Amino acid sequence: KAGVTQTPRYLIKTRGQQVTLSCSPISGHRSVSWYQQTPGQGLQFLFEYFSETQRNKGNFPGRFSGRQFSNSRSEMNVSTLELGDSALYLCASSLGSARSTDTQYFGPGTRLTVL
Amino acid sequence: AQKITQTQPGMFVQEKEAVTLDCTYDTSDPSYGLFWYKQPSSGEMIFLIYQGSYDQQNATEGRYSLNFQKARKSANLVISASQLGDSAMYFCAMVSGAGSYQLTFGKGTKLSVIP
Repeated sequence: KAGVTQTPRYLIKTRGQQVTLSCSPISGHRSVSWYQQTPGQGLQFLFEYFSETQRNKGNFPGRFSGRQFSNSRSEMNVSTLELGDSALYLCASSLGSARSTDTQYFGPGTRLTVL
Repeated sequence: AQKITQTQPGMFVQEKEAVTLDCTYDTSDPSYGLFWYKQPSSGEMIFLIYQGSYDQQNATEGRYSLNFQKARKSANLVISASQLGDSAMYFCAMVSGAGSYQLTFGKGTKLSVIP
């Protein structure tokens, strides 16, 4: 079974631009979560989607948004990029059952650099 | 509030020796799940092992075992017979609370295996 895939793997943008990252979950997984990893803040939860609905949201500004499609694929968008948005963005998928403790499997990440 | 504490920023272990990575957690919810992930320098988060709060026995997965001490709120990862490929960052994480699907991560421990 194929794992979680993320595209693109690397991205360089300039301040003020916007960016869209894509995530395809493991086949049969219906929940997709997004995390930001930076050296200073560590791993932080952005949001989680299930059946095209956002169930959970972390403490990030409104510039960070996401969506999920009917095939469970997800995208996240960051508008008006700031230097501090430079990070590794990780997507994780899980079965999405009622159990919140379902294991989340991660993709390889998208490394975003904002100049 | 949920919190994960990993007090060892870095550790060294001789090849073929066993090593214990510490993790303590804090949550007021009786239902929670604890996870360990490995992150090599490539960036991908690799799931290693899971322990549920109601599990009676300590989890094991091949060379990985989890020393779960509920009363002390600790969930230490034990890696037996260390291999050079085990050199990586290791993160302890938790999901707790009904309806919460977000992982809370510790700051991680960098493990270096010495030949």
